[in-house]
Amino acid sequence: DAGVTQSPTHLIKTRGQQVTLRCSPKSGHDTVSWYQQALGQGPQFIFQYYEEEERQRGNFPDRFSGHQFPNYSSELNVNALLLGDSALYLCASSPGTRNEQYFGPGTRLTVT
Amino acid sequence: ILNVEQSPQSLHVQEGDSTNFTCSFPSSNFYALHWYRWETAKSPEALFVMTLNGDEKKKGRISATLNTKEGYSYLYIKGSQPEDSATYLCASNTGGFKTIFGAGTRLFVKA
Repeated sequence: DAGVTQSPTHLIKTRGQQVTLRCSPKSGHDTVSWYQQALGQGPQFIFQYYEEEERQRGNFPDRFSGHQFPNYSSELNVNALLLGDSALYLCASSPGTRNEQYFGPGTRLTVT
Repeated sequence: ILNVEQSPQSLHVQEGDSTNFTCSFPSSNFYALHWYRWETAKSPEALFVMTLNGDEKKKGRISATLNTKEGYSYLYIKGSQPEDSATYLCASNTGGFKTIFGAGTRLFVKA
C-alpha cells in the first residue's frame, strides 16, 4: 500500500499564476481533505471532498477550488496566486468523512 | 474557546525525562480529538483518536487523556528518547466535517 501520495513535491510559481496540486488517497479511502500549513502554524483546513462533492469548506477565498475524481483522487487548484499562498499544502485521506486521517508528504508551494 | 490551542509551544528535555503537553479545544459539539506526531521531512502520523470523556489511550511510552466537558486533552511521554523529537499536533472535530488543528508543540529531546 503506497499510502497517501502527493505531486509535485515542490513548486515555484509567480504571483498571478494558477497552480494545480494532486493527491492520491490511501487504498480504501474515499474522503480527501486539503490543508494549508504556513510556517509556525498548524495545518489550516481548506476543504473536504467526499463522493466527488465538496462537503465542507474552511475560511479560504474562492480562488481555492478543488475536485475529486471517481477513483477518489483529488486536485487542489489555486488561481491568481498571492505571495501569501506560499505554504506547505497537505492532503489527508480517510475512510469516511469523520474518521482518522492519513496524511501525504505535502507539496511545498513558493510564490515569488 | 473557539480555536484549538496547544501549550507549550516548544519544549526541550533530556533523554529519560517524562513530559506532557496540553491541548485545549471547543467543548461544544465535540465529536473527536486527534493527536498526531510530525517528524521533520515526514508526513504527520496519527497517534490517537479519542471520542469519549475520560478516555485514555496508550501506545508504548506515549499516552493521552481526554476531558470533553472542560475541553482539554493531555499527551504524556514517559522516558523521552531522541527519536521522540517531533512536533505534536492535536486536532478537534466539532460538529461538521472539518478538522481544526492547533499550532503544535515542538519537542526536542537531547541525548
